[in-house]
Amino acid sequence: GENVEQHPSTLSVQEGDSAVIKCTYSDSASNYFPWYKQELGKGPQLIIDIRSNVGEKKDQRIAVTLNKTAKHFSLHITETQPEDSAVYFCAASDPVFSGGYNKLIFGAGTRLAVHP
Amino acid sequence: SQTIHQWPATLVQPVGSPLSLECTVEGTSNPNLYWYRQAAGRGLQLLFYSVGIGQISSEVPQNLSASRPQDRQFILSSKKLLLSDSGFYLCAFGRTDTQYFGPGTRLTVL
Repeated sequence: GENVEQHPSTLSVQEGDSAVIKCTYSDSASNYFPWYKQELGKGPQLIIDIRSNVGEKKDQRIAVTLNKTAKHFSLHITETQPEDSAVYFCAASDPVFSGGYNKLIFGAGTRLAVHP
Repeated sequence: SQTIHQWPATLVQPVGSPLSLECTVEGTSNPNLYWYRQAAGRGLQLLFYSVGIGQISSEVPQNLSASRPQDRQFILSSKKLLLSDSGFYLCAFGRTDTQYFGPGTRLTVL
């Protein structure tokens, strides 16, 4: 089955700097890669996603890149702000289809701290 | 718009007591529904998923069970809680591959 590794586990940056979180996946058949942001005590919030037919996607200060050959994808946050501080999870679809169901395999998470 | 609700938000239960957590979804029909557990400082563990009323699949054998009595209602239950059942329980819904999470229930078993 699919396996997702996420690095680093913790990341500390100064406000205004960029932050990059990287994930690798094992199953080349995976075709959907979402990123979630989880603030303390809350449920994960989908912030951006990318599909295997696209190499890069951007939404304001957030971008995701996908390298299918190397089987890794990355989250890029530019001009970081203190409110970006949270735990970020990557995920990859595990291509098991049963009546339209598609399972997500999550990375272990990255705790991002943005210091003013 | 689509929204997902979970209750209660927090729960403290003694070992051996029963459990019932509820999740409801609004603004969509026939969603896929999921229950996840998140231990403190850890990742997301998929417990159950459902593609329709009465259709439940279990990912991890344990003393928890799930039911889907209505299209947009998903319930997580236990007859007797263990200390190891403590954690943050998240319900999610989706169509095909995208999943959206609810606010979660913090369960502490003492």
